[in-house]
Amino acid sequence: GQQLNQSPQSMFIQEGEDVSMNCTSSSIFNTWLWYKQDPGEGPVLLIALYKAGELTSNGRLTAQFGITRKDSFLNISASIPSDVGIYFCAGLNYGGSQGNLIFGKGTKLSVKP
Amino acid sequence: DGGITQSPKYLFRKEGQNVTLSCEQNLNHDAMYWYRQDPGQGLRLIYYSQIVNDFQKGDIAEGYSVSREKKESFPLTVTSAQKNPTAFYLCASSGRGAYNEQFFGPGTRLTVL
Repeated sequence: GQQLNQSPQSMFIQEGEDVSMNCTSSSIFNTWLWYKQDPGEGPVLLIALYKAGELTSNGRLTAQFGITRKDSFLNISASIPSDVGIYFCAGLNYGGSQGNLIFGKGTKLSVKP
Repeated sequence: DGGITQSPKYLFRKEGQNVTLSCEQNLNHDAMYWYRQDPGQGLRLIYYSQIVNDFQKGDIAEGYSVSREKKESFPLTVTSAQKNPTAFYLCASSGRGAYNEQFFGPGTRLTVL
């Protein structure tokens, strides 16, 4: 089945630093989604990308849909303590099993205050 | 406010008992989903339903059952046949069409003693 490779698995950064994480796949996706999950809570949608090459921002967050449609990255600028959490990428194909997302295993972000 | 509710937040059951987790949405979404999340893991799809009175198995459906009698509701039953039921369970919903991002509820943590 389809799999997403998300990296890094975890990272520790100093407050104020920029963060970058990415997802790659051997398969093509039509949509890329990025979620953030706080401990004990459900994932919250941060950014949705619909076109290859698309670059979208949401405050300090910027995400891009790779040209090959097999990858995506998420950048967080000037990190703050509330950025702590687990970030998941998800790829979506609305051809066969409509609406079924394929999730990466997550990037756990820890910020040193 | 529109959203997805899951209840209860924490649930404890004895081994061998069936237990039903509630999921309700007032987003007028057609599709609903159940995921399981284990510590340090990504999300794995249990069941999904794209329309009322219809549902399909996901990747890990064994030991689980669902029903979709109303558009707003998609309860999940964890049966005694599920060998390792202790986990965090997440419900999600999405609309129809190409831009059908999934939105998640707050989750239910099930502990089987």
